[in-house]
This record gives sequence, structure tokens and C-alpha cells, in this order.
Amino acid sequence: AQSVAQPEDQVNVAEGNPLTVKCTYSVSGNPYLFWYVQYPNRGLQFLLKYITGDNLVKGSYGFEAEFNKSQTSFHLKKPSALVSDSALYFCAVRDKAIVSGNTGKLIFGQGTTLQVKP
Amino acid sequence: ETGVTQSPTHLIKTRGQQVTLRCSSQSGHNTVSWYQQALGQGPQFIFQYYREEENGRGNFPPRFSGLQFPNYSSELNVNALELDDSALYLCASSPRAAGSGGTQYFGPGTRLLVL
Repeated sequence: AQSVAQPEDQVNVAEGNPLTVKCTYSVSGNPYLFWYVQYPNRGLQFLLKYITGDNLVKGSYGFEAEFNKSQTSFHLKKPSALVSDSALYFCAVRDKAIVSGNTGKLIFGQGTTLQVKP
Repeated sequence: ETGVTQSPTHLIKTRGQQVTLRCSSQSGHNTVSWYQQALGQGPQFIFQYYREEENGRGNFPPRFSGLQFPNYSSELNVNALELDDSALYLCASSPRAAGSGGTQYFGPGTRLLVL
């Protein structure tokens, strides 16, 4: 069965320091991996995705993620954290490859709260 | 902000009632997925609609049903509401082209409270 694990409920970093939010996955075949961010009382905002190609993926707001097939990980990173990055972050995997017009369901981790302190 | 809209934003119902939630997809998107996000949890897939037909369903009972209309907007209906149905309901739309990577763009959600 497909699954996603986010081992940390909360990550605390100081503003200006680098941040990492961890994600590991279990999926048969080639994974399609996503990161979303959720601010209080809001829906999910898409940050970035890995489909194929370069293992380092760059996304919105200066975030990037590195796909590591051998470690089945897709950790989210940012070189310099901002207080405004404080939010709930979700890693997700799609359960099957695209068939024309079908996008497949997303399987989400439990989420990691990022707290950036001034 | 995405072009996905949902209504209403908040809703309070009592156990046993029925509820209808609505979603308008982003322009150019023909696929709509619905998710339930309980407090402190990640979203759980309910079902997906593509070209007005159900295209995949998660582990939810039949009292969760849906529709998609010719303009690709969608409804989620829940009958015989239970207390555990209290959650944030998220709608996501995605574009047609396979080359887009099938990214799902989420609306702001409807928060349902069942008393």
C-alpha cells in the first residue's frame, strides 16, 4: 500500500537559519511526490512536485526538495527561513501514474508544523 | 490564490441531517477531487470526478456521494451525518493535459461541524 510518513510533528527554527522538513514514502513503481503548505483556516497551497528528472526540485517562495530514491525520501528545504514560513506542511504521493485525463488520488502524510521564531 | 472556490465556508448541522458542499474548479480543469481533513490529520481522499463520472473512490461509505456538472463544477453530498463527519472538506481541481503532471490545486475548504 502507498504511504507517506512525516516523522516530525513540529520543526522549530530561528529566522535566517536553514530549515528541513522530512518526508519518507512507500510506493510501488515510480513515485510522484508533492509538497503543500496550509496556513490557518485555509486550504492547501501547492509548493513543488517531483515527477521525473533532476532530483533537486525548486518551488515557490524559495523552497526546494530533494528526491532520494535509495532512501525513499523527499525532504523539503529552504536555505533561510522566514517568520512568514510558519505553517503546516504536507508531503503527498500520488498512487498511480497518469493515464490520459486521470490524475490519481493524493496520499498525504500527517503534516509537520513549522515554527520560525524571530 | 488558486481559481478553485468552495461554498459555503462554514456549516453547522445536526446528526442525521444531510449536507451539500459545492466546488467550482479552476478554468481549464476537468477533474475534481474531494478530500476530508479531520482536525490534526492529513487530508483523506473521498473520491474523484472526471468528465462527470466518478473516477476512483477512497474508503468512505456510500452516504458520501457526489456529482460533477458539464462546466466541471462539483458537489459533495453527505447523508445521515455523524459526529465524526465534522471536518474540513477540501476540493481540488486538476488540468487535463498529462504533461502538466496532474497537480491538484485546492480550494479554501468548507468547515463542517456536526452537533
